[in-house]
Amino acid sequence: GQQVMQIPQYQHVQEGEDFTTYCNSSTTLSNIQWYKQRPGGHPVFLIQLVKSGEVKKQKRLTFQFGEAKKNSSLHITATQTTDVGTYFCAGQGGSEKLVFGKGTKLTVNP
Amino acid sequence: EADIYQTPRYLVIGTGKKITLECSQTMGHDKMYWYQQDPGMELHLIHYSYGVNSTEKGDLSSESTVSRIRTEHFPLTLESARPSHTSQYLCASSAGGYANEKLFFGSGTQLSVL
Repeated sequence: GQQVMQIPQYQHVQEGEDFTTYCNSSTTLSNIQWYKQRPGGHPVFLIQLVKSGEVKKQKRLTFQFGEAKKNSSLHITATQTTDVGTYFCAGQGGSEKLVFGKGTKLTVNP
Repeated sequence: EADIYQTPRYLVIGTGKKITLECSQTMGHDKMYWYQQDPGMELHLIHYSYGVNSTEKGDLSSESTVSRIRTEHFPLTLESARPSHTSQYLCASSAGGYANEKLFFGSGTQLSVL
């Protein structure tokens, strides 16, 4: 079945440094989504990418969907303490349900 | 305001008790899901439903059961709780449709079985 691998599992940065998490699917995806879960909270939808090679920005966050629609990345520029949390990607292949990656836990040292 | 609600927020019970975790959404979504998540860890899909009277087991085997008698309500039941069931349970819903599985999550129920 479809698998979604996400790396790294953990990332610790100094405030102001950049951060990137990567997601790879074993199969071609129809779309990929990104979620953020704050410590003690629940996952919150950030964005959905649908088109091959798509790039979307939300303030300091940049999301990319690969040309082959099998990989994606989330890049945060100049991290802040408010960025702390676990970032999950979730891929959907055709009409199948979403498959979540294991998440990247980001900690930011002020 | 459209939302998804889970109760209770926290639950501490003894081994062998029967429990029901409640989940309701006011968004009219057809699709609903239950995920199990240990703190800071990955999400495991344990049950899902694509509509009334439709329920399926997820990727992670679970001793829990679910029902979907009404669109807005998707309760999860454990007939006999055990310490191994201690975890956070997250309910989610989506409008569904091709390439539109955006999930809305509830605040979760943190279950502790002693």
